[in-house]
This record gives sequence, structure tokens and C-alpha cells, in this order.
Amino acid sequence: DTAVSQTPKYLVTQMGNDKSIKCEQNLGHDTMYWYKQDSKKFLKIMFSYNNKELIINETVPNRFSPKSPDKAHLNLHINSLELGDSAVYFCASSLTGVGDFLFGSGTRLTVV
Amino acid sequence: AQSVTQPDIHITVSEGASLELRCNYSYGATPYLFWYVQSPGQGLQLLLKYFSGDTLVQGIKGFEAEFKRSQSSFNLRKPSVHWSDAAEYFCAVGAKNTDKLIFGTGTRLQVFP
Repeated sequence: DTAVSQTPKYLVTQMGNDKSIKCEQNLGHDTMYWYKQDSKKFLKIMFSYNNKELIINETVPNRFSPKSPDKAHLNLHINSLELGDSAVYFCASSLTGVGDFLFGSGTRLTVV
Repeated sequence: AQSVTQPDIHITVSEGASLELRCNYSYGATPYLFWYVQSPGQGLQLLLKYFSGDTLVQGIKGFEAEFKRSQSSFNLRKPSVHWSDAAEYFCAVGAKNTDKLIFGTGTRLQVFP
């Protein structure tokens, strides 16, 4: 059984569109995250939620909006997509919240 | 400034050879240190972590890492590499009261038969 699952795995879309990426974890973890991995494999945190409450909100354009309907789900909505948004987006969750994360397999977003 | 440096972008080893991947960090607080592995098309998997105590930590898949405070290093080692170890390896640093991890830029490991 997949512990942290993201959908879709691949997303190709045109500039200006709005898209969402969904993430679910079945581990009972309280904390969930979104990370962005760019073309050079650099990973940077975007957001973290603890039990539906926003904890970390890095310097991300406000076109990116996370939503956590419950502690098992953390979705990422992106408005007005730009070419520079092309990346792999990873969802992760953590029981302890001190860095021992369980990552999803990623969503490769390509904006054309 | 907080940072993690992985000096080796790409390393190639023969199967059965020993491996050491380097990681240096700069962090103001007492660091929590991690090594993650990413196979192609996959998410990251935690190999091992160091919070405190014994500076030599054992992880999964036969990996170990040693924390050297004087050198601000946390190098990853494996005595005998298997072809399935070919992947991207990321070192990361965090701290006790934050769940924000800072990742290095990764080291790509290639294994030849």
C-alpha cells in the first residue's frame, strides 16, 4: 500500500491555465509538505501543514495555494501557470516533523 | 547562512567497490543531519539520520554515515556498492525546533558492473 500518494504523476499544460496536484497519506502523520525540485535537482520547501494548519510558507508566488481539507490530504493549486513553474513537485509527510520525511513519487509538471 | 554542500556532482564506481559521498554543512544551531536517496522517477527515501549521540549512524541498505562536528561534515559510506545503488543522493540539514530541511544539490552515483 502506498503511504504517500500523489496524483497526477505527469501534468502537461499550457501557460495561463490553473491546475491542482493532490496528495494523500495513510500513515496518520500530522505534518505534510510540498517541495519543489527544479531541473537541476535542487529541492526546496514550499509549504508545510501540521494538522490542517499552515506552518511554513516559503517565498512562493501567491499563485500557489495549498489546501488541507483534513490532516491526511494536502493539495496544491496553481493559478496562471508560467513556464518557470515546470518542475517536479513532491509531497511528503512526517510523524516527528524533524526531517524524517516520507516522500511521494512526485508530479512532473510541464508548462508549455 | 545555512547551507549544505555536496562537492561531488557525479561519482562513478565499480560494483563491489567502496563508496564515500561527501557532505558539508553550515548551520547555526545544533544540526540534525540526513541522507536521502532518489531513484529515477521516484521520490526520496530516507537512508539514515543523525540527531545526537553516537556519531557513526547506520542506515538502510548497508549505508552508514559519520558526523564530524570539527569538520562540519556528514559523509555517507558503503563498503561494497551494488548495481542497485545507482541513484541520486541528497544530504540535508535541519534542527530540533523546525521541520524545514535544507537540501544539498545531490550527488549522482553510477555503478559499473
